[in-house]
Amino acid sequence: EVQLVESGGDLVQPGGSLRLSCAASGFTFSSRWMSWVRQAPGKGLEWVASIRQDDITKHYVDSVRGRFTISRDNAKNSLYLQMNSLRAEDTAVYYCASLYNDVTIFDYWGQGTLVTVSS
Amino acid sequence: DIQLTQSPSFLSASVGDRVTITCRASQGISNFLAWYQQKPGKAPELLIYTASILQSGVPSRFSGSGSGTEFTLTISSLQPEDFATYYCQQRHSYPITFGQGTRLEIK
Repeated sequence: EVQLVESGGDLVQPGGSLRLSCAASGFTFSSRWMSWVRQAPGKGLEWVASIRQDDITKHYVDSVRGRFTISRDNAKNSLYLQMNSLRAEDTAVYYCASLYNDVTIFDYWGQGTLVTVSS
Repeated sequence: DIQLTQSPSFLSASVGDRVTITCRASQGISNFLAWYQQKPGKAPELLIYTASILQSGVPSRFSGSGSGTEFTLTISSLQPEDFATYYCQQRHSYPITFGQGTRLEIK
């Protein structure tokens, strides 16, 4: 059974940093592109970042580029999102998702972890 | 960026009804469109990809069609478990974008 379990969400002050983790199991993690998708309270879905299997090719939405860094450790079956210079508008549930067949189709999702940016 | 506009944003329907949700793209995206269902407090689930391919395990009452700039998600006969919010998503180009969502509620 595929499982994606996010952790690391917390309350953080504006300008602060946070690192999210996603532990994957039930599939060959090293063979999949992976992504983070977020959802602000009561709002729709927003793609944040994607990373290829090699931990080299990465894509980001403009609003987080330069502040967030997506990375992975294939030996640990883990995905990460380092978030710096956090803003109130980054408040959201952050989902880890796997991509199907090397294309941006999100076939498996974690349960999400809540990040709240507030003073 | 490619904008996706879903209509309607809110839909009230009854069990057994046939419903259609439309997703319009701001430019042509071939058939690079997916549909997701999200229930309150839960993660989204993939329903359809490449405009019309049903994800494994998804009931056959769900279907998708379209190409270019206009796409539809149809539920042929609504079941109680189908009341949820539905999102379309394009993968034609970065940034990946989602529609604003269509909330489907019980009449």
